[in-house]
Amino acid sequence: SAVISQKPSRDICQRGTSLTIQCQVDSQVTMMFWYRQQPGQSLTLIATANQGSEATYESGFVIDKFPISRPNLTFSTLTVSNMSPEDSSIYLCSAWGTGGTDTQYFGPGTRLTVL
Amino acid sequence: QKEVEQNSGPLSVPEGAIASLNCTYSDRGSQSFFWYRQYSGKSPELIMFIYSNGDKEDGRFTAQLNKASQYVSLLIRDSQPSDSATYLCAVKGTSYDKVIFGPGTSLSVIP
Repeated sequence: SAVISQKPSRDICQRGTSLTIQCQVDSQVTMMFWYRQQPGQSLTLIATANQGSEATYESGFVIDKFPISRPNLTFSTLTVSNMSPEDSSIYLCSAWGTGGTDTQYFGPGTRLTVL
Repeated sequence: QKEVEQNSGPLSVPEGAIASLNCTYSDRGSQSFFWYRQYSGKSPELIMFIYSNGDKEDGRFTAQLNKASQYVSLLIRDSQPSDSATYLCAVKGTSYDKVIFGPGTSLSVIP
């Protein structure tokens, strides 16, 4: 398994500002992901955070808006840039478990409200 | 476009009954299948995974997989009010393919 923590757990931000969300995994993992989940909706994959290279973004998400860092095998950050109220959502960090498993675990999420 | 679909909810069952949650997927190359439970305001929690055709049981939960029909289901026996949550079906292809999540089915267990 993998234990994942995120910071902050929630934030209220002003339009036009940026917020960086941190994700820490308790063990080295190969794959880390960032998801967005809007109220009443399922999970939408934003990007795969690759260690040592640029993140791989899904259709509809761009690096300028959601820059991602992955400096090592246990840590990643997601920045939500130039925020608007439409960015209000829960942002979830996720990683595959260790020990050869391909099961995916989630952090507790960051609830973002943009005013 | 790889897709995962689930029966639209909400699904309501009385306490003690069997809840049946269904999921279909479009990619025949899918290898791994997962069920997550998500309580309101919480992140998804893995409850079952299945890789081979047939049934897999874990306590009150049984996952069923039929690759020929591209169908996976989750049965919850002796449903409890604490089982009330949204259940997400997730499907993955090869080991380094990303996981595709279904839209979720909301389950309500009525005491």
